[in-house]
Amino acid sequence: DTGVSQDPRHKITKRGQNVTFRCDPISEHNRLYWYRQTLGQGPEFLTYFQNEAQLEKSRLLSDRFSAERPKGSFSTLEIQRTEQGDSAMYLCASSPAGQRYEQYFGPGTRLTVT
Amino acid sequence: AQSVTQLGSHVSVSEGALVLLRCNYSSSVPPYLFWYVQYPNQGLQLLLKYTTGATLVKGINGFEAEFKKSETSFHLTKPSAHMSDAAEYFCAVSDLSGGSNYKLTFGKGTLLTVNP
Repeated sequence: DTGVSQDPRHKITKRGQNVTFRCDPISEHNRLYWYRQTLGQGPEFLTYFQNEAQLEKSRLLSDRFSAERPKGSFSTLEIQRTEQGDSAMYLCASSPAGQRYEQYFGPGTRLTVT
Repeated sequence: AQSVTQLGSHVSVSEGALVLLRCNYSSSVPPYLFWYVQYPNQGLQLLLKYTTGATLVKGINGFEAEFKKSETSFHLTKPSAHMSDAAEYFCAVSDLSGGSNYKLTFGKGTLLTVNP
């Protein structure tokens, strides 16, 4: 399968714990996006990478959130000191340089904070 | 700022009936528009997109949508619903403003149920 992959698919954690999610984009896609989707809502933009550079962060991305894409390939999203309000589906998408507007989504990581 | 409004959070149709899912957008620049479908506990799959050119666009699984600039609409249709069409559908607009990162702004989604 050469699509976008995300790991883990599901994560249950206790409030106050740190969690890290991983996204592997489609090979040679230089653009990578993270979105968050809460129940009953559409996905909301969190952050964007072009290669290894993080070029935009939403105001939704509080200081407890950090994202990296160290070598311009996979990306990680870390949430520190999780809160119940962080419970959501975290979606990763990638797009190629030649078709910048077309984003391919992964299956998502569903986070439940208890 | 861009926004997307999907009229009707839940649409129910009978198998074989017309599917019509409504989407209106606001954008300060000519938009790129998308419809995505999401099945339970899965990511989003692109159904179709409008960028430039022909305003009636065809997508996968028999869906099509028409870009109407005067009405700021991009409604999704399918002539005959199939049970497998039951899913949540999201309309989205791409940010094309200067220095844009092409991030997507989504509507809240419309849940389509298909009755036998």
